[in-house]
Amino acid sequence: AQSVTQPDARVTVSEGASLQLRCKYSYFGTPYLFWYVQYPRQGLQLLLKYYPGDPVVQGVNGFEAEFSKSNSSFHLRKASVHWSDWAVYFCAVSSQGGRALIFGTGTTVSVSP
Amino acid sequence: NAGVIQTPRHKVTGKGQEATLWCEPISGHSAVFWYRQTIVQGLEFLTYFRNQAPIDDSGMPKERFSAQMPNQSHSTLKIQSTQPQDSAVYLCASSRDWGNTGQLYFGEGSKLTVL
Repeated sequence: AQSVTQPDARVTVSEGASLQLRCKYSYFGTPYLFWYVQYPRQGLQLLLKYYPGDPVVQGVNGFEAEFSKSNSSFHLRKASVHWSDWAVYFCAVSSQGGRALIFGTGTTVSVSP
Repeated sequence: NAGVIQTPRHKVTGKGQEATLWCEPISGHSAVFWYRQTIVQGLEFLTYFRNQAPIDDSGMPKERFSAQMPNQSHSTLKIQSTQPQDSAVYLCASSRDWGNTGQLYFGEGSKLTVL
């Protein structure tokens, strides 16, 4: 069965520091992978998506993620965090053909001054 | 361009009452999804329609929960005999080209509180 694991429930990072959020997926076949963000009191918004191709994908607001088939991972990165990045980040997996999107448990990012 | 619209934004019901939640997908989107979000369980998939036809309801509790999509402009999620454990934020999402290069667009959710 497909699943997504986000091992870090909460991450605290200083403003201006770099950020990496981990995501491991379990999927039989070719996965389509997504990162969504949920800002306080807002709905889920897409940060970036991966379809088979270039393993490094660029997203909005300076985020990027790298797909690794050998590690079954899709980690999210940002070079310099801003206070506005304080949010919950969700990794998710689906497939070609349109199976339902399955989410990880999320990682809460707190930004300290 | 309006996003996914969910109503009501907040609903409070008593135990045993019925709750109906509404979703209006983005115009032209053929796929509609329902999810449930709680602190404990996170984001749980419930059910999904494509071109109004039910495709996958594997996440739906077999009793008391039902979903319909009578036309391309709205979907409903009905919970009969609500229980306190049904308290959650119910999210609706739609997509134009799901399964190819599409993405899900989420509404802001309907927060259900069962007393």
